[in-house]
Amino acid sequence: AQKVTQAQTEISVVEKEDVTLDCVYETRDTTYYLFWYKQPPSGELVFLIRRNSFDEQNEISGRYSWNFQKSTSSFNFTITASQVVDSAVYFCALSEAERQLTFGSGTQLTVLP
Amino acid sequence: NAGVTQTPKFQVLKTGQSMTLQCAQDMNHEYMSWYRQDPGMGLRLIHYSVGAGITDQGEVPNGYNVSRSTTEDFPLRLLSAAPSQTSVYFCASSYDGTSSYEQYFGPGTRLTVT
Repeated sequence: AQKVTQAQTEISVVEKEDVTLDCVYETRDTTYYLFWYKQPPSGELVFLIRRNSFDEQNEISGRYSWNFQKSTSSFNFTITASQVVDSAVYFCALSEAERQLTFGSGTQLTVLP
Repeated sequence: NAGVTQTPKFQVLKTGQSMTLQCAQDMNHEYMSWYRQDPGMGLRLIHYSVGAGITDQGEVPNGYNVSRSTTEDFPLRLLSAAPSQTSVYFCASSYDGTSSYEQYFGPGTRLTVT
């Protein structure tokens, strides 16, 4: 069965600090997909990134970067020079067998001014 | 495009009542799903559908029914509401018939069962 663990329940940083959100997953499949979603205080879910299991290349998008390591079953998310608007709950998710998406329990990030 | 719409936004039910949460998408997406979000537990899959006429159970299906008679609509029915079903419910859709691609989420329905 697939499983996603986000061990950091809450993180608090001061604006302009870098912060990394951890995500560890378990799956028996060789083909799977990993995602990050953001849920700001307004409550909607915003897609950030999708990665398939055959692409371990790291991704950078502006202040956001993702480090995918199959050897440690991790898909970590780093925000560089954090801003108050980054305050949100961030979810890591895993799609296995193309049928079901399993979410981690989320990390509440608070960026203080 | 309106994307994924959900109604109602808020609902209060008494134990034992039944109701239907509506979900519709106008993107011609094959895959649709329902999640519930509870504090500290992330989102958990209730039911999903890979196309019209096809539905399947997710992680927490008990107490809920779904049907998919059209590509656009995927209603979630609570048969006999219980306090344990107090939660925020999200509907989502994805452009192919799998969960392998980005899912577009509706704004959510906050349900309270007293």
